[in-house]
Amino acid sequence: ETGVTQSPTHLIKTRGQQVTLRCSSQSGHNTVSWYQQALGQGPQFIFQYYREEENGRGNFPPRFSGLQFPNYSSELNVNALELDDSALYLCASSLGAGNTGELFFGEGSRLTVL
Amino acid sequence: QKEVEQDPGPLSVPEGAIVSLNCTYSNSAFQYFMWYRQYSRKGPELLMYTYSSGNKEDGRFTAQVDKSSKYISLFIRDSQPSDSATYLCAMEYNQGGKLIFGQGTELSVKP
Repeated sequence: ETGVTQSPTHLIKTRGQQVTLRCSSQSGHNTVSWYQQALGQGPQFIFQYYREEENGRGNFPPRFSGLQFPNYSSELNVNALELDDSALYLCASSLGAGNTGELFFGEGSRLTVL
Repeated sequence: QKEVEQDPGPLSVPEGAIVSLNCTYSNSAFQYFMWYRQYSRKGPELLMYTYSSGNKEDGRFTAQVDKSSKYISLFIRDSQPSDSATYLCAMEYNQGGKLIFGQGTELSVKP
Protein backbone atom coordinates (compact mmCIF):
# COMPACT_ATOMS: atom_id res chain seq x y z
CA GLU A 1 0.00 0.00 0.00
CA THR A 2 1.57 3.28 -1.08
CA GLY A 3 1.17 6.38 1.03
CA VAL A 4 0.43 9.94 0.01
CA THR A 5 3.11 11.35 -2.25
CA GLN A 6 3.63 14.98 -3.16
CA SER A 7 5.76 16.73 -5.74
CA PRO A 8 7.85 18.73 -5.95
CA THR A 9 9.29 18.60 -2.44
CA HIS A 10 10.83 22.06 -2.68
CA LEU A 11 10.47 24.92 -5.10
CA ILE A 12 11.31 28.59 -5.34
CA LYS A 13 9.20 31.08 -7.27
CA THR A 14 9.10 34.83 -7.62
CA ARG A 15 6.20 37.09 -6.79
CA GLY A 16 3.54 37.13 -9.50
CA GLN A 17 4.39 33.70 -10.89
CA GLN A 18 2.11 30.67 -10.89
CA VAL A 19 2.74 27.28 -9.30
CA THR A 20 1.24 23.80 -9.57
CA LEU A 21 1.67 21.25 -6.80
CA ARG A 22 0.76 17.60 -7.22
CA CYS A 23 -0.51 14.90 -4.91
CA SER A 24 -1.10 11.19 -5.31
CA SER A 25 -3.54 9.90 -2.75
CA GLN A 26 -3.12 6.72 -0.75
CA SER A 27 -4.32 3.63 -2.58
CA GLY A 28 -8.11 3.32 -2.38
CA HIS A 29 -8.69 6.86 -1.06
CA ASN A 30 -11.12 9.03 -3.02
CA THR A 31 -10.90 12.27 -1.01
CA VAL A 32 -8.04 14.74 -1.06
CA SER A 33 -7.69 17.79 1.18
CA TRP A 34 -5.10 20.52 0.86
CA TYR A 35 -3.65 22.50 3.75
CA GLN A 36 -1.23 25.42 3.98
CA GLN A 37 1.22 25.44 6.90
CA ALA A 38 3.18 28.65 7.44
CA LEU A 39 6.38 28.43 9.46
CA GLY A 40 5.62 27.94 13.15
CA GLN A 41 1.88 27.63 12.56
CA GLY A 42 -0.63 24.82 12.34
CA PRO A 43 -2.01 23.73 8.96
CA GLN A 44 -4.89 25.75 7.51
CA PHE A 45 -7.57 24.09 5.39
CA ILE A 46 -7.56 25.30 1.78
CA PHE A 47 -10.09 22.99 0.09
CA GLN A 48 -11.18 19.40 -0.32
CA TYR A 49 -11.97 17.31 -3.39
CA TYR A 50 -14.26 14.30 -3.31
CA ARG A 51 -14.77 12.26 -6.45
CA GLU A 52 -13.45 15.06 -8.67
CA GLU A 53 -15.71 17.77 -7.20
CA GLU A 54 -14.75 20.52 -4.76
CA ASN A 55 -16.30 19.64 -1.42
CA GLY A 56 -15.66 22.60 0.81
CA ARG A 57 -13.25 25.50 0.86
CA GLY A 58 -11.47 27.42 3.58
CA ASN A 59 -10.76 31.13 3.74
CA PHE A 60 -8.46 31.36 0.73
CA PRO A 61 -8.82 33.65 -2.31
CA PRO A 62 -9.86 32.37 -5.75
CA ARG A 63 -6.28 32.44 -7.00
CA PHE A 64 -5.96 29.17 -5.07
CA SER A 65 -7.60 26.52 -7.22
CA GLY A 66 -7.51 22.78 -7.55
CA LEU A 67 -8.36 19.72 -9.53
CA GLN A 68 -8.94 16.08 -8.82
CA PHE A 69 -8.47 13.48 -11.53
CA PRO A 70 -10.33 10.20 -12.14
CA ASN A 71 -7.51 8.29 -10.40
CA TYR A 72 -8.10 10.59 -7.36
CA SER A 73 -4.74 12.33 -7.65
CA SER A 74 -4.96 16.08 -7.25
CA GLU A 75 -3.34 19.38 -8.12
CA LEU A 76 -3.20 22.66 -6.26
CA ASN A 77 -2.65 25.74 -8.40
CA VAL A 78 -1.75 29.15 -7.04
CA ASN A 79 -1.76 32.16 -9.37
CA ALA A 80 -0.20 35.58 -8.87
CA LEU A 81 2.06 34.38 -6.07
CA GLU A 82 2.56 36.65 -3.08
CA LEU A 83 5.35 36.60 -0.50
CA ASP A 84 2.88 35.35 2.14
CA ASP A 85 2.21 32.25 0.05
CA SER A 86 5.59 30.91 1.22
CA ALA A 87 4.64 27.84 3.24
CA LEU A 88 4.55 24.06 3.40
CA TYR A 89 1.61 22.79 1.35
CA LEU A 90 0.24 19.53 2.66
CA CYS A 91 -1.99 17.09 0.88
CA ALA A 92 -4.06 14.61 2.88
CA SER A 93 -6.11 11.74 1.60
CA SER A 94 -8.95 9.83 3.18
CA LEU A 95 -11.46 7.16 2.30
CA GLY A 96 -14.67 9.10 1.80
CA ALA A 97 -15.44 12.64 2.89
CA GLY A 98 -16.92 11.39 6.16
CA ASN A 99 -13.91 9.79 7.79
CA THR A 100 -12.81 12.44 10.26
CA GLY A 101 -9.42 11.95 11.80
CA GLU A 102 -8.37 9.35 9.31
CA LEU A 103 -6.46 11.82 7.22
CA PHE A 104 -3.15 10.56 5.88
CA PHE A 105 -0.76 13.40 5.12
CA GLY A 106 2.03 13.55 2.62
CA GLU A 107 5.37 15.12 3.49
CA GLY A 108 4.45 18.35 1.78
CA SER A 109 5.75 20.70 -0.86
CA ARG A 110 7.76 23.59 0.53
CA LEU A 111 7.18 26.73 -1.51
CA THR A 112 9.37 29.81 -1.18
CA VAL A 113 8.22 33.00 -2.89
CA LEU A 114 10.90 35.66 -3.41
CA GLN B 1 -9.22 35.43 18.57
CA LYS B 2 -8.28 32.13 16.96
CA GLU B 3 -10.81 29.30 17.09
CA VAL B 4 -8.19 26.96 18.56
CA GLU B 5 -5.43 28.15 20.88
CA GLN B 6 -2.33 26.11 21.64
CA ASP B 7 0.80 27.13 23.54
CA PRO B 8 3.62 26.96 20.98
CA GLY B 9 6.27 26.18 23.57
CA PRO B 10 8.99 25.14 23.09
CA LEU B 11 8.67 22.61 25.87
CA SER B 12 11.76 20.75 27.06
CA VAL B 13 11.57 17.79 29.46
CA PRO B 14 13.94 15.06 30.65
CA GLU B 15 13.50 11.50 29.41
CA GLY B 16 10.91 9.62 31.44
CA ALA B 17 8.89 12.72 32.37
CA ILE B 18 5.14 12.99 32.01
CA VAL B 19 4.23 15.55 29.36
CA SER B 20 0.98 17.49 29.29
CA LEU B 21 -0.07 19.30 26.12
CA ASN B 22 -3.21 21.41 25.96
CA CYS B 23 -5.53 23.26 23.62
CA THR B 24 -8.50 25.50 24.23
CA TYR B 25 -11.18 26.34 21.72
CA SER B 26 -13.99 28.82 21.39
CA ASN B 27 -16.63 27.07 19.27
CA SER B 28 -18.85 24.69 21.20
CA ALA B 29 -19.95 23.07 17.92
CA PHE B 30 -16.71 21.10 17.66
CA GLN B 31 -17.46 17.40 18.13
CA TYR B 32 -14.35 15.57 16.95
CA PHE B 33 -10.92 16.07 18.46
CA MET B 34 -7.54 14.84 17.29
CA TRP B 35 -3.86 15.01 18.14
CA TYR B 36 -1.26 14.85 15.40
CA ARG B 37 2.51 14.49 15.72
CA GLN B 38 4.75 16.19 13.18
CA TYR B 39 8.44 15.48 12.96
CA SER B 40 10.69 18.08 11.39
CA ARG B 41 10.21 18.31 7.62
CA LYS B 42 7.50 15.64 7.65
CA GLY B 43 3.73 15.63 7.34
CA PRO B 44 1.52 15.30 10.42
CA GLU B 45 0.57 11.79 11.56
CA LEU B 46 -2.53 10.98 13.55
CA LEU B 47 -1.90 9.97 17.18
CA MET B 48 -5.27 10.09 18.87
CA TYR B 49 -8.88 10.66 17.85
CA THR B 50 -11.77 11.22 20.25
CA TYR B 51 -15.42 12.05 19.85
CA SER B 52 -17.10 14.42 22.33
CA SER B 53 -16.03 14.46 25.99
CA GLY B 54 -14.07 11.72 27.73
CA ASN B 55 -10.72 10.00 27.87
CA LYS B 56 -8.95 7.70 25.46
CA GLU B 57 -5.76 5.79 26.14
CA ASP B 58 -3.34 4.23 23.67
CA GLY B 59 -0.10 2.93 25.13
CA ARG B 60 1.82 5.83 26.63
CA PHE B 61 -0.63 8.38 25.25
CA THR B 62 -3.87 9.58 26.86
CA ALA B 63 -6.22 12.10 25.27
CA GLN B 64 -8.79 13.98 27.32
CA VAL B 65 -11.66 16.14 26.12
CA ASP B 66 -13.65 18.44 28.41
CA LYS B 67 -16.33 20.04 26.27
CA SER B 68 -17.81 21.98 29.19
CA SER B 69 -14.51 23.84 29.57
CA LYS B 70 -13.67 23.75 25.83
CA TYR B 71 -10.34 22.20 26.71
CA ILE B 72 -8.46 19.18 25.37
CA SER B 73 -5.26 17.57 26.59
CA LEU B 74 -2.71 15.00 25.52
CA PHE B 75 -0.60 13.25 28.15
CA ILE B 76 2.57 11.36 27.30
CA ARG B 77 3.89 9.02 29.97
CA ASP B 78 7.52 7.88 30.19
CA SER B 79 8.52 10.31 27.46
CA GLN B 80 11.30 9.24 25.10
CA PRO B 81 13.73 11.24 22.94
CA SER B 82 11.86 9.82 19.95
CA ASP B 83 8.79 11.75 21.14
CA SER B 84 10.59 14.99 20.27
CA ALA B 85 8.35 16.60 17.65
CA THR B 86 5.66 19.22 17.20
CA TYR B 87 2.25 18.18 18.52
CA LEU B 88 -0.81 19.62 16.84
CA CYS B 89 -4.32 19.53 18.20
CA ALA B 90 -7.11 19.54 15.62
CA MET B 91 -10.88 19.52 15.71
CA GLU B 92 -13.94 19.78 13.52
CA TYR B 93 -17.70 20.10 13.59
CA ASN B 94 -18.62 16.98 11.67
CA GLN B 95 -16.94 14.11 9.90
CA GLY B 96 -16.04 16.13 6.87
CA GLY B 97 -12.26 16.03 7.03
CA LYS B 98 -11.96 19.83 7.25
CA LEU B 99 -9.85 20.22 10.34
CA ILE B 100 -9.09 23.31 12.39
CA PHE B 101 -5.59 23.02 13.81
CA GLY B 102 -3.89 24.66 16.75
CA GLN B 103 -0.53 26.34 16.31
CA GLY B 104 1.37 23.29 17.49
CA THR B 105 3.59 22.75 20.55
CA GLU B 106 7.26 21.94 19.96
CA LEU B 107 8.39 19.24 22.40
CA SER B 108 11.97 18.23 23.10
CA VAL B 109 12.73 15.20 25.29
CA LYS B 110 16.32 15.23 26.51
CA PRO B 111 18.17 11.94 27.22
